Amino acid sequence: GAGVSQSPRYKVTKRGQDVALRCDPISGHVSLYWYRQALGQGPEFLTYFNYEAQQDKSGLPNDRFSAERPEGSISTLTIQRTEQRDSAMYRCASSLGPNSNEQFFGPGTRLTVL
Amino acid sequence: KQEVTQIPAALSVPEGENLVLNCSFTDSAIYNLQWFRQDPGKGLTSLLLIQSSQREQTSGRLNASLDKSSGRSTLYIAASQPGDSATYLCAVRPRQAGTALIFGKGTTLSVSS
Repeated sequence: GAGVSQSPRYKVTKRGQDVALRCDPISGHVSLYWYRQALGQGPEFLTYFNYEAQQDKSGLPNDRFSAERPEGSISTLTIQRTEQRDSAMYRCASSLGPNSNEQFFGPGTRLTVL
Repeated sequence: KQEVTQIPAALSVPEGENLVLNCSFTDSAIYNLQWFRQDPGKGLTSLLLIQSSQREQTSGRLNASLDKSSGRSTLYIAASQPGDSATYLCAVRPRQAGTALIFGKGTTLSVSS
């Protein structure tokens, strides 16, 4: 595609519900990254993939958070039993490969947990 | 642990002024440094990327410098315009910590006409 796309753009959910956030990277990009950005802060790393392999998940805050990229393209970030503190902008980025210089970011998903 | 700090947090200038945004990082072992622009409701737009071996990069009215030994980078914007109003984020890619970017909190710029 022309750029990284994410869906939904906005998600409002009630505490305790599960949510799934989707990222569609630029076609042909091997590496995919998930970041979380709180208001007034810079994005913080969550996890990243090369092809379908999850290379680093050290940034996932707890075991309610998980991510997958089963076919090495689209990725889903799942948050189980959401809490209010999970409210944030979730950003996805992709790059040609792990040694590529530049990461290209999507528009983000704004998650609000009531 | 690598930390990235951006000063000032917010800046208001009249149209036409030249301005400098500052970024500092605590660990000089970086692969590169990137400046992004963030507009409300939109993604992050990459402005300039400086490799660790480079001293500066230029794109139009933007010039970014890197002094790796002192852990500093500056983004210079010449002849500012109202359309430059946005949040500017600085991010480093550590050499030893994989490919995840570490971001500062950003500088929010407002240019008035």
